[in-house]
Amino acid sequence: NAGVTQTPKFRILKIGQSMTLQCTQDMNHNYMYWYRQDPGMGLKLIYYSVGAGITDKGEVPNGYNVSRSTTEDFPLRLELAAPSQTSVYFCASSYGEGVGANVLTFGAGSRLTVL
Amino acid sequence: GNSVTQMEGPVTLSEEAFLTINCTYTATGYPSLFWYVQYPGEGLQLLLKATKADDKGSNKGFEATYRKETTSFHLEKGSVQVSDSAVYFCALDTGRRALTFGSGTRLQVQP
Repeated sequence: NAGVTQTPKFRILKIGQSMTLQCTQDMNHNYMYWYRQDPGMGLKLIYYSVGAGITDKGEVPNGYNVSRSTTEDFPLRLELAAPSQTSVYFCASSYGEGVGANVLTFGAGSRLTVL
Repeated sequence: GNSVTQMEGPVTLSEEAFLTINCTYTATGYPSLFWYVQYPGEGLQLLLKATKADDKGSNKGFEATYRKETTSFHLEKGSVQVSDSAVYFCALDTGRRALTFGSGTRLQVQP
C-alpha cells in the first residue's frame, strides 16, 4: 500500500518558471490537501478538494492552481515561480466522512527552491 | 479565526527524561485535537487524537488530554528515547476537514 506519493522530492526553479507538483493516493480517500511548510511557521493550507471535480482555496492560494480530475490525483501547479514560494510542500488525503474522517495521511514532501 | 500555539523549540532532553510539549488553541465550536509527528525526511503522521473535552489520546507512550477549560492539549511522555527525536505538531479540526496546525516543536533526545 503506497499511501500518498509525491513527486519530485526536490526541485530548483528559476524565477518565472512554471512547474507541477504531482500527488497521487491509492486509499480511495475523498479529501485531498496541499500544505506548505515554512521554517518555524508550521503548515499552511494552500488548496483542498472534497472530491473529483471540486476544489477550494485554503489560507495561502495565491500563485498556485490545482485540479482534481480523478479521485487519486491532485496536482499543484506553480505558474510563475517566485522566491516566496521556496518551501516544502506536503500533499495529504483523508476519508472526509465517518470514523477517522479528519485523520490525514501525508506524503513525504517536495522541497522546492526558487532562485 | 482558528489558531494553534505551541511552545518554541528545540526541546533537548536526555534519554529517559519526562517530556511535556505545550499546546493551546483558539477555535469556535468544539474542535477535535491532534498531535502529529514528523521524523527526519518524512511526512507527518498521526500520533494521537481526542475528539471531545476530557478525552485522553494515547499512543507509543505519549498521551495528551483535551482540556476545554484551559483550551489546551499538552503532549506528555514519561520516558523519552533517542528514537522519539522528531518535530511534533499540534493541530485542530473544527469540522471543515482541513486541519489548522501549530508551528511545530523540535525534540532532540540525547543518549
